[in-house]
Amino acid sequence: DIQMTQTPSSMPASLGERVTISCRASQGISNYLNWYQQKPDGTIKPLIYYTSNLQSGVPSRFSGSGSGTDYSLTISSLEPEDFAMYYCQQYDSSPPTFGAGTKLELK
Amino acid sequence: EIQLQESGPGLVKPSQSLSLTCSVTGYTITSGYDWSWIRKFPGNKMEWMGYISYSGSTNYNPSLKSRISITRDTSKNQFFLQLNSVTTEDTATYYCARVNYSGDGDYFDYWGQGVMVTVSS
Repeated sequence: DIQMTQTPSSMPASLGERVTISCRASQGISNYLNWYQQKPDGTIKPLIYYTSNLQSGVPSRFSGSGSGTDYSLTISSLEPEDFAMYYCQQYDSSPPTFGAGTKLELK
Repeated sequence: EIQLQESGPGLVKPSQSLSLTCSVTGYTITSGYDWSWIRKFPGNKMEWMGYISYSGSTNYNPSLKSRISITRDTSKNQFFLQLNSVTTEDTATYYCARVNYSGDGDYFDYWGQGVMVTVSS
């Protein structure tokens, strides 16, 4: 299975701050990298698919980039509703696997 | 609007089987896509368990292959998870989700709200 290493595991940040979450795959995944947000109530929604494609309805302050084994999610200016858990996930090969998550917390 | 909703017992005894239902509204599961089960453990690790395709074929995570079965009832637009011989390690929140084949890679585009299952005697 492809291992996904996500960093940091937690990140204190302030409203309006720009933050970046990183994800490294144990082998190249050809940009088949997705990002999800989990809210405190448990609901999960997709943010970014195939490295940089914004899911419909997701604000443009979210962006993704990367290639090969290294990928990142950037939030350009944190809003109150952005404080949540974030997960990366690869779908290059089966089984699809997830990173361990990053908890974005209010500083 | 497409919605997925998990249901099932919140408590299962060790060695028994865990059975969950995912009810889908707003889309017919035989029309397309794959329909997955994913779980999130305490401590936040997430694991893809498997899927049933719109045609009824299945694909399971090899880590679970001997214990898992995903089936469906097309008349009710539901699909099901059965996990046998559970242990406390199977305590998790279980989600059903749709796999979107975007042409630019696959991803889980619709999720249920999740159902917490505790394995305990």
